[in-house]
Amino acid sequence: DGGITQSPKYLFRKEGQNVTLSCEQNLNHDAMYWYRQDPGQGLRLIYYSQIVNDFQKGDIAEGYSVSREKKESFPLTVTSAQKNPTAFYLCASRLGRHNEQFFGPGTRLTVL
Amino acid sequence: SQQGEEDPQALSIQEGENATMNCSYKTSINNLQWYRQNSGRGLVHLILIRSNEREKHSGRLRVTLDTSKKSSSLLITASRAADTASYFCATVFNQAGTALIFGKGTTLSVSS
Repeated sequence: DGGITQSPKYLFRKEGQNVTLSCEQNLNHDAMYWYRQDPGQGLRLIYYSQIVNDFQKGDIAEGYSVSREKKESFPLTVTSAQKNPTAFYLCASRLGRHNEQFFGPGTRLTVL
Repeated sequence: SQQGEEDPQALSIQEGENATMNCSYKTSINNLQWYRQNSGRGLVHLILIRSNEREKHSGRLRVTLDTSKKSSSLLITASRAADTASYFCATVFNQAGTALIFGKGTTLSVSS
């Protein structure tokens, strides 16, 4: 089956800890994206990557970091510098410009 | 920055009725896309309309685009309870078209 997987589905973190959210795709898409969604809100772009070993900041990159060492993988690290990390995180991928994006099922992060 | 803004924020209708959602955006676009999100899930692509198209159909969905007014509408005909979800329009984040940004969405509730 082709698609995007995110893990874990639920993640709990203590304040001051870094956590890494996984995103893997087997669609052979070049571009990958991370979005954050707060309750009742739209999606806000955190980081995106067009090719391996390259990525750009979105609207709300502060307190987050990413890597793109493999085409299939685009992990997101939520650092302790992120003031309010509790949210629903969505990963997406896209074959090329001006095409549709495919989304993973999301990871719900809660800071205790 | 949010390029698209959906209207209304919430819409409640009865099964069988039509549902219309609107999206306004700010800058010129290559295309505009509509997505659907069921509660707590990832987004699913519904339809893409290019800037040189005025109307597009897909099953019970009809999308219109008015580039002079920088607006789009999504019409769902003969709504079903299963159409209950949030609907988002998406346009490009930058001129390179390398990422999408989303509005806050319209939450549609269809009661039987």
